[in-house]
Amino acid sequence: GDSVTQMEGPVTLSEEAFLTINCTYTATGYPSLFWYVQYPGEGLQLLLKATKADDKGSNKGFEATYRKETTSFHLEKGSVQVSDSAVYFCTSLGGSNYKLTFGKGTLLTVNP
Amino acid sequence: GAVVSQHPSWVICKSGTSVKIECRSLDFQATTMFWYRQFPKQSLMLMATSNEGSKATYEQGVEKDKFLINHASLTLSTLTVTSAHPEDSSFYICSAARSGGGRAGEQYFGPGTRLTVT
Repeated sequence: GDSVTQMEGPVTLSEEAFLTINCTYTATGYPSLFWYVQYPGEGLQLLLKATKADDKGSNKGFEATYRKETTSFHLEKGSVQVSDSAVYFCTSLGGSNYKLTFGKGTLLTVNP
Repeated sequence: GAVVSQHPSWVICKSGTSVKIECRSLDFQATTMFWYRQFPKQSLMLMATSNEGSKATYEQGVEKDKFLINHASLTLSTLTVTSAHPEDSSFYICSAARSGGGRAGEQYFGPGTRLTVT
């Protein structure tokens, strides 16, 4: 079955540092890929997505590129802020049943 | 657009009682809704997939008689935790997938319901 493997945290950075959270996937066919973010005490929010190879999703300074050759969808941000502290989930969506496959989540803490 | 609400946002109940959680898509129709459970500092575990007008599909290991799901309309799904016990305490999250169109399949998540069973 489909699976998503993402870098385990926690990740602690200083404000304005560069962020990378690695994510790789296995799937039958070509899934859509997403990054969801969960701020403390809240539900999940879609951060960005990519639906086909070489697509780049971007939002709020975050970027991720769908790499079919490496089956990866790494999340990056050039300069993190304290408000980016949250749990980030890499997720794939494949097939016709709309079922998402989640990575385990990576807790990011950004210190001032 | 694409807002999903859950009610209640938190609930405390006594062991042995039942609790109903509602999930509503406020501004779109959702043929499919999903119920997840999230343990502290862990990822989401899919419990069941709910399709409007049909029986829910439960994931392996999830007791269908304990977690009753009803998807009565294209905008409402309910999860009832029957005869709740302390081990059922958790964060329950629903999501709704748009029906048809270019954004079909994209899921929108509710804010979650914190259930505490005493």
